[in-house]
Amino acid sequence: AQKITQTQPGMFVQEKEAVTLDCTYDTSDQSYGLFWYKQPSSGEMIFLIYQGSYDEQNATEGRYSLNFQKARKSANLVISASQLGDSAMYFCAMREGSGNQFYFGTGTSLTVIP
Amino acid sequence: DAGVIQSPRHEVTEMGQEVTLRCKPISGHNSLFWYRQTMMRGLELLIYFNNNVPIDDSGMPEDRFSAKMPNASFSTLKIQPSEPRDSAVYFCASSLWGSGGLLGNEQFFGPGTRLTVL
Repeated sequence: AQKITQTQPGMFVQEKEAVTLDCTYDTSDQSYGLFWYKQPSSGEMIFLIYQGSYDEQNATEGRYSLNFQKARKSANLVISASQLGDSAMYFCAMREGSGNQFYFGTGTSLTVIP
Repeated sequence: DAGVIQSPRHEVTEMGQEVTLRCKPISGHNSLFWYRQTMMRGLELLIYFNNNVPIDDSGMPEDRFSAKMPNASFSTLKIQPSEPRDSAVYFCASSLWGSGGLLGNEQFFGPGTRLTVL
């Protein structure tokens, strides 16, 4: 089974609107961490936000927030007030407490429309 | 602070040639990861090291690929002989790993090496 599933290959959002990028995960560990990365067309991988499995509050970093629903095993990324510069690939990743490997999803390509 | 450093940034070679990609992780990080990214296969983990020791190399495509980490500040990924299907962007990433409260330490990626095998 896939550890990380991103079901949206591509998404479009109007500038200044909010958008949610979906991510579900699969693990039997009680302790794990969830990460989101952004990859613009220039190619670099940029860390955006982290959520720990024991964190009770949803993580937020500026315009990024993580909608963490533990029972559903989902960790969706919410981008508020989208900007043209948000157009990029977005990857969800997980690190299990039992190991050090990061498991990445297949990514979602986000296009912000002016 | 310097991030993860990879060299070369671009490599164009002919089929059959040996290719060596280099990576310098962030100072103090004890885990290093090599990834390959293509349009068809996405981001694939090739191998990772903890404290310079290879932990999981199950992602290495075949015997033509080898990776070493002789010390905490240097790693190489070698392809010999190279083939056109090896064309991809190869990323090196590092992180701080350990028990306890280090679960949230993210991976820091290098800029990648774009490899083209003709």
